[in-house]
Amino acid sequence: AQSVTQLGSHVSVSEGALVLLRCNYSSSVPPYLFWYVQYPNQGLQLLLKYTSAATLVKGINGFEAEFKKSETSFHLTKPSAHMSDAAEYFCAVSEGPNFGNEKLTFGTGTRL
Amino acid sequence: AAGVIQSPRHLIKEKRETATLKCYPIPRHDTVYWYQQGPGQDPQFLISFYEKMQSDKGSIPDRFSAQQFSDYHSELNMSSLELGDSALYFCASSSRDFDSYEQYFGPGTRLTVT
Repeated sequence: AQSVTQLGSHVSVSEGALVLLRCNYSSSVPPYLFWYVQYPNQGLQLLLKYTSAATLVKGINGFEAEFKKSETSFHLTKPSAHMSDAAEYFCAVSEGPNFGNEKLTFGTGTRL
Repeated sequence: AAGVIQSPRHLIKEKRETATLKCYPIPRHDTVYWYQQGPGQDPQFLISFYEKMQSDKGSIPDRFSAQQFSDYHSELNMSSLELGDSALYFCASSSRDFDSYEQYFGPGTRLTVT
């Protein structure tokens, strides 16, 4: 079984401030982890992903996340927030491309 | 680069009617997934297909059925529609590459049931 917990349904930051969106996961196997962004009335855009390679992952739009197995965390950060970052952010976990177990389980989202 | 195509983008139906949503995955992708996102909610997994066979099933109502065809496109059929079926329906596709694995999402079909 897999699950994701996103702490904070709403996060407010000033433009230029650090962005930190928290995600903790639970998985019975080594996880694949993803951050998606969703703008109003739009689809899901992949920001970055962890697929068991480097633990520090860099994504688009200046975002990055660090996989910490000991803390079961995959927090999303950006050094300097921009107005255009205002959106809904979803953390998701998957068991990866193993037959029948690839589905994504999403967190409840954080509105930045 | 080719992306996942979903049609229609918007659909309005009345209660008890039937709806069919279509998904065309990225070429050479062998797995298709369907997700449902209700208003203000996170996406929920419905069902997936690998090489035209159902590979996993989530919280999909019995009123819904889906299949993947020989050309790998998939259709989600929804019958006896209820107001609560109003949602954004996403299709995603992937290939079985362990290193670069990710699901590519389509733009979604917004279903409104009145």
